[in-house]
Amino acid sequence: KNQVEQSPQSLIILEGKNCTLQCNYTVSPFSNLRWYKQDTGRGPVSLTIMTFSENTKSNGRYTATLDADTKQSSLHITASQLSDSASYICVVSGSGGSNYKLTFGKGTLLTVNP
Amino acid sequence: EPEVTQTPSHQVTQMGQEVILRCVPISNHLYFYWYRQILGQKVEFLVSFYNNEISEKSEIFDDQFSVERPDGSNFTLKIRSTKLEDSAMYFCASRADVGGYTFGSGTRLTVV
Repeated sequence: KNQVEQSPQSLIILEGKNCTLQCNYTVSPFSNLRWYKQDTGRGPVSLTIMTFSENTKSNGRYTATLDADTKQSSLHITASQLSDSASYICVVSGSGGSNYKLTFGKGTLLTVNP
Repeated sequence: EPEVTQTPSHQVTQMGQEVILRCVPISNHLYFYWYRQILGQKVEFLVSFYNNEISEKSEIFDDQFSVERPDGSNFTLKIRSTKLEDSAMYFCASRADVGGYTFGSGTRLTVV
C-alpha cells in the first residue's frame, strides 16, 4: 500500500532558528515528491516539487532534499519566521500515467515562537 | 497568479440532505481533482476528472458522490445524502498537462 510517513508530528522552535522535517515514503512507482505548506483552514500551497533525478531543490528559505534510493526526503527551513507556523506536508505522486494521484503524509505541525 | 476558487467556504447541512460543492479551476488546466481532509487527519484523494469523465476514484467515492463539469468553467462535487462522517474540508485542485497542482482554499462541510 502506498504510504507517506512524516516526522516529527509537531515541532516548536524559536524565531530565527533552523529546522529539518523528515519524510519517508513507500509509494511505487515514483513520479515526484512535493512539499506543501498548509495554514489552518486553508488549502495546501506548493513549496517544492522534485522528480526522481533531483536530489535538492530550494525555494527561498526552504530547501528540500530527496534520496530516491532510500525513499527519504527532508525539508530544511532556514532562519524561521513567525509566519512559517503551519503544517508542512510531504506528498508523493505515484501514478506512472497522466493521472498523478497524490498520496499525502499527515504533516508536521510547526510552531515558531517569538 | 491564477487561483482555484471554491464556494462556499463553509457549508452546514442536515444529515440526509444533498450538498453541492463548487469549484472554478484554472482556465487552461485539463485535470481536475477533489480531495478531502477530515479534521486532524491527512488529505485523502477522492476523484480525478479528465476529458469530461472520471479517470480514477478512491474507495471513499461511493455512489453517494458524483462530479460534474456542467460548463467550461465549473467543476462540482455532489453528495447525495450526507452523513455525519462526511464532515470535512473538501479541496478542489486542478493541473495543466505538465506542472504542479493548484489547490483551492477548500470548503468546510459540517453535517449536523
